[in-house]
Amino acid sequence: SQTIHQWPATLVQPVGSPLSLECTVEGTSNPNLYWYRQAAGRGLQLLFYSVGIGQISSEVPQNLSASRPQDRQFILSSKKLLLSDSGFYLCAWKIGPDSGYTFGSGTRLTVV
Amino acid sequence: AQSVAQPEDQVNVAEGNPLTVKCTYSVSGNPYLFWYVQYPNRGLQFLLKYITGDNLVKGSYGFEAEFNKSQTSFHLKKPSALVSDSALYFCAVRDIAADSWGKLQFGAGTQVVVTP
Repeated sequence: SQTIHQWPATLVQPVGSPLSLECTVEGTSNPNLYWYRQAAGRGLQLLFYSVGIGQISSEVPQNLSASRPQDRQFILSSKKLLLSDSGFYLCAWKIGPDSGYTFGSGTRLTVV
Repeated sequence: AQSVAQPEDQVNVAEGNPLTVKCTYSVSGNPYLFWYVQYPNRGLQFLLKYITGDNLVKGSYGFEAEFNKSQTSFHLKKPSALVSDSALYFCAVRDIAADSWGKLQFGAGTQVVVTP
């Protein structure tokens, strides 16, 4: 079956520290992968998307970066976290032209 | 550019009453439309989608939505709401003509509160 894994579930990091959030999918190949951030429990902001290994598109210039070192692995990173990076980060994948997204369970990041 | 609007921040309904969550969209071409539900501190769960065909789409947990091209709407409905339907609901749109990468534009979300 096709599944998506995100970890960690929660994370508290000090300002200025680095960040690495990982997302992996199973049971599929060559998916489109997406990172979203949800601030204040409401709207979803698309941060990055990837259509293949090493192919990353950024939607919003910011303090974050993304990488796709393997077909089914998508990593969200930061060298130095800001307070404004706090939020709920969601990874999603899509396969097939007519399909919607399947979301991971999310990571709650609090920058202190 | 594609956009989607959910005009209500919150919808309150008594258990057993009909539930409607509104969504309107704007695209340059034909839309793909989706509804998702989110429970606290969880990822979004897919409810239903409209790609083509019958304007009335049936989805999970007794939900349905009607695609109305003239009104550019895709309202989510449930005939009889349950307390367990209390959650945050998101409408999303993809403009097939404008986007080849499958990106979805999400609305701001509507909080549904069902009271016993």
